[in-house]
Amino acid sequence: GAVVSQHPSRVICKSGTSVKIECRSLDFQATTMFWYRQFPKQSLMLMATSNEGSKATYEQGVEKDKFLINHASLTLSTLTVTSAHPEDSSFYICSALPGSSSNQPQHFGDGTRLSIL
Amino acid sequence: GENVEQHPSTLSVQEGDSAVIKCTYSDSASNYFPWYKQELGKRPQLIIDIRSNVGEKKDQRIAVTLNKTAKHFSLHITETQPEDSAVYFCAAQPNDKLIFGTGTRLQVFP
Repeated sequence: GAVVSQHPSRVICKSGTSVKIECRSLDFQATTMFWYRQFPKQSLMLMATSNEGSKATYEQGVEKDKFLINHASLTLSTLTVTSAHPEDSSFYICSALPGSSSNQPQHFGDGTRLSIL
Repeated sequence: GENVEQHPSTLSVQEGDSAVIKCTYSDSASNYFPWYKQELGKRPQLIIDIRSNVGEKKDQRIAVTLNKTAKHFSLHITETQPEDSAVYFCAAQPNDKLIFGTGTRLQVFP
């Protein structure tokens, strides 16, 4: 089956640090990847849609300068949380859609738990 | 944009009983409706999905129904087991974006 690898799984760092999270599709090409954020005991909230070779599309209320997304290849999207602060602490999960398919399941990474001290 | 509501937020059942979780959506363009099970600290796992051209789908103890007219869809788990305990999310997908419901914490007591 389609596998999505997300790294790192856990990050603990000081306030003001920038943190990069990688999302890779291991056995398929993903034109589109998605980034979600999940606070404790809450649902997954879509942050942005990452499109290979073009700018990401951000959901309302998500700061594009705070959450930098790069999708430079068909198998890799990165999310950089710039100058992270304690309120950015959350569980970040990526997903990928194979090819240009629609109405198909998204394949999720294992998530990254980010803790800002 | 799409808005997905999910009820109940918590559900406790005795082992062997059935559990039903209900969702409504707002965007008639949504045509794909997956259900996910998420254990603490883990990724959401797809357990069943349904497309808008189908009214019902079953996979062993799990079934999903869809009423497009009313914009309702439901998850039914029969013969529940303690290992079914988790948080369940419905979702609706208009134009490839997945919009999740608020989640249901299911507890199955032995």
